[in-house]
Amino acid sequence: QQPVQSPQAVILREGEDAVINCSSSKALYSVHWYRQKHGEAPVFLMILLKGGEQKGHEKISASFNEKKQQSSLYLTASQLSYSGTYFCGTAKAAGNKLTFGGGTRVLVKP
Amino acid sequence: EPEVTQTPSHQVTQMGQEVILRCVPISNHLYFYWYRQILGQKVEFLVSFYNNEISEKSEIFDDQFSVERPDGSNFTLKIRSTKLEDSAMYFCASLGTGGREQYFGPGTRLTVT
Repeated sequence: QQPVQSPQAVILREGEDAVINCSSSKALYSVHWYRQKHGEAPVFLMILLKGGEQKGHEKISASFNEKKQQSSLYLTASQLSYSGTYFCGTAKAAGNKLTFGGGTRVLVKP
Repeated sequence: EPEVTQTPSHQVTQMGQEVILRCVPISNHLYFYWYRQILGQKVEFLVSFYNNEISEKSEIFDDQFSVERPDGSNFTLKIRSTKLEDSAMYFCASLGTGGREQYFGPGTRLTVT
């Protein structure tokens, strides 16, 4: 069963913040976040492992709430380059396939 | 930085023909995956491969599909008798032992006419 992402789309002005959520009904080992630009391959952003850790990459950070089986991706002070579709991929164990959510389209305007 | 490579970048084929998509995973990686993405949709898992055999496959991966690691470097996806609905981007990914990040290749765009 695929994880559920919300919202489906978000439009931001440069410098604004946004949160993207990824929820699963099943116990997860890890949550992977990718960003995909049109016509390109998904680019890895970060991985969250069970244990409720929080990670960050520049002004993009994420958290994983193991009790809720939910991960959130935080776009802080968004830049034009943040535009794209963000996918979460979940794995039930190390080395397992990734099951992707439906994606969240992010458009950052000047 | 090591990367996954895929060839060709774009393949056009007629319905009913066979195609082989090629991938060169990162050299010391042991887990390999094929995913596909129909235009405008999410990325879908097809098959995973470990220790020279399929470790998991999705319901999409039926008898029309097969995977092979013919030598120490290549990982191929064969689609027999292609259908119009096979048109999609096909991504190969690999994962190293102890690693957690699946590295995606740039993809092969398959167009079936």
